[in-house]
Amino acid sequence: DAGVIQSPRHEVTEMGQEVTLRCKPISGHNSLFWYRQTMMRGLELLIYFNNNVPIDDSGMPEDRFSAKMPNASFSTLKIQPSEPRDSAVYFCASSFEAGSTDTQYFGPGTRLTVL
Amino acid sequence: AQKITQTQPGMFVQEKEAVTLDCTYDTSDQSYGLFWYKQPSSGEMIFLIYQGSYDEQNATEGRYSLNFQKARKSANLVISASQLGDSAMYFCAMRVDYGGSQGNLIFGKGTKLSVKP
Repeated sequence: DAGVIQSPRHEVTEMGQEVTLRCKPISGHNSLFWYRQTMMRGLELLIYFNNNVPIDDSGMPEDRFSAKMPNASFSTLKIQPSEPRDSAVYFCASSFEAGSTDTQYFGPGTRLTVL
Repeated sequence: AQKITQTQPGMFVQEKEAVTLDCTYDTSDQSYGLFWYKQPSSGEMIFLIYQGSYDEQNATEGRYSLNFQKARKSANLVISASQLGDSAMYFCAMRVDYGGSQGNLIFGKGTKLSVKP
């Protein structure tokens, strides 16, 4: 079975441009998570969805960030306009059920560089 | 507030020896899960092992075992018979079950393990 798929794997853009990151969760999983990893802050949750509904978006840094999950097999994270401080690796993860016991499986990540 | 602490920024181990990576956690919740992930230099996050707060036995997965000491709030990862391919960053993470609703993962800062030949 395919794991979590993210695209693009690498993105280099200029400040002020719109960036869209994409994620396809593991088939059958009903929860999807977006994380950001930086040297300074480590791994931090941005937002997560359960059954396509956003449950907690308290980690979204500011209004420039938005995320959608139009169906069970696709999610996007958009940054508009992008800034150099948004440079990071963005991970998407998915899991099967609610609750503390459920393992989240991560995608390969998107390395974003904003010049 | 929930917190994960990994006090070892870097560790060295000789190939074929065992190594323990430390992790302590802080939560007032009774139901939670503890996870270890491996991040090699290629960047992906690989799930290694899971321990539930109500599990009586320590979790094991191949060469990985989790030394769970609930009273001490520690969840150390033990890697037996280290291999060169074990060189990577290792993250401890906790997930709390907020009364049935989904909880996100809270990560520690990580430990960089280097296996020497």
